Amino acid sequence: GQQLNQSPQSMFIQEGEDVSMNCTSSSIFNTWLWYKQDPGEGPVLLIALYKAGELTSNGRLTAQFGITRKDSFLNISASIPSDVGIYFCAGPHDYKLSFGAGTTVTVRA
Amino acid sequence: GAVVSQHPSWVICKSGTSVKIECRSLDFQATTMFWYRQFPKQSLMLMATSNEGSKATYEQGVEKDKFLINHASLTLSTLTVTSAHPEDSSFYICSARELAGVSFGEQFFGPGTRLTVL
Repeated sequence: GQQLNQSPQSMFIQEGEDVSMNCTSSSIFNTWLWYKQDPGEGPVLLIALYKAGELTSNGRLTAQFGITRKDSFLNISASIPSDVGIYFCAGPHDYKLSFGAGTTVTVRA
Repeated sequence: GAVVSQHPSWVICKSGTSVKIECRSLDFQATTMFWYRQFPKQSLMLMATSNEGSKATYEQGVEKDKFLINHASLTLSTLTVTSAHPEDSSFYICSARELAGVSFGEQFFGPGTRLTVL
């Protein structure tokens, strides 16, 4: 599959802080997806982006589809303890999904 | 909507036995289901793509005779790990693509099955 570079790999944040992570690719994607995975669970779709430049929010989450279609970022505002987990970016290619390596978020109360 | 279930949620088996994992789309029809494997602290790795009524397409390096996939209906796909060995211990996750979804790229994931082979 296509390679997605996701950063940072992990982050420790204070409750109430804003969080930002991003994903880049050498290939163009027509869709960018952001998933969250809790320990021992499957990934849950957070936000789907379908158009270059699109900025979409889901509660405290905001994601943007880069203009070049080769990158996307996810912001979490005012983090809370339940934001703990692994966040993955993903992009479809030939009906399959390629995933980033994930960003592990740990929130300090 | 768009709920995918997996059964069992965890299984422990002896080396050499076979294990079957079921993946069901509960409230939608899925022409395509995907099977992933995830090792600790790693990302999801696609194993195979399962299309209803046809043979599965396996990713490079995945043994089709070891990981048998059957997609008999629009709501059920099964993965059978044959003659399991300790190195097959992993977290297996399925996903389903909705037949009439907004985007062909959007997949909905099951909760995963933890396989431990002793």
